Amino acid sequence: GAGVSQSPSNKVTEKGKDVELRCDPISGHTALYWYRQRLGQGLEFLIYFQGNSAPDKSGLPSDRFSAERTGESVSTLTIQRTQQEDSAVYLCASSFNGGGQPQHFGDGTRLSIL
Amino acid sequence: AQSVTQPDIHITVSEGASLELRCNYSYGATPYLFWYVQSPGQGLQLLLKYFSGDTLVQGIKGFEAEFKRSQSSFNLRKPSVHWSDAAEYFCAGPRGSTLGRLYFGRGTQLTVWP
Repeated sequence: GAGVSQSPSNKVTEKGKDVELRCDPISGHTALYWYRQRLGQGLEFLIYFQGNSAPDKSGLPSDRFSAERTGESVSTLTIQRTQQEDSAVYLCASSFNGGGQPQHFGDGTRLSIL
Repeated sequence: AQSVTQPDIHITVSEGASLELRCNYSYGATPYLFWYVQSPGQGLQLLLKYFSGDTLVQGIKGFEAEFKRSQSSFNLRKPSVHWSDAAEYFCAGPRGSTLGRLYFGRGTQLTVWP
């Protein structure tokens, strides 16, 4: 597609449920990034995929969070046993050069935990 | 700690006026620095970046930023603001050694009066 696509755009779920967020990067972009933005705060790094290298998971806040990427394509971010503090906008980004900064962001998934 | 700080949460300017958004950094060495814009209904977009060399960096949409080591600043400027510039602006710098892992400031919301 023309840009980074994320789905769903909005997700409301009950505390304790698992959720899965999807990101379709721009075709040909080797690097993919997940960030989250909690209300009133800046973006918080979660995880970074670059080609076939091991992902940089240093930003994942707990072991309830995991992410996968199929080759240089779709990525899914999974949050298990959701908590209210997980409520945020989850942003995915991709870039072509891989070794650089996130270039193009999606519109995000707004996650609300009741 | 290595980070960037945006001291202004909200800035209001009149259309046609000049604009300066502040960003201060705390890094030991010369950092890579970025400005992003998040417009209503649109994803986050990279405005400009500073890696090294010329301290005045030109970006998209008529924006520029100047890296000042003596002041530990990387302020974003535009000579004449347009109503369409109303958005939230984020300064960012590296978190660790990989650019994919960025530390974002809390953002400055820009309102433009007609």
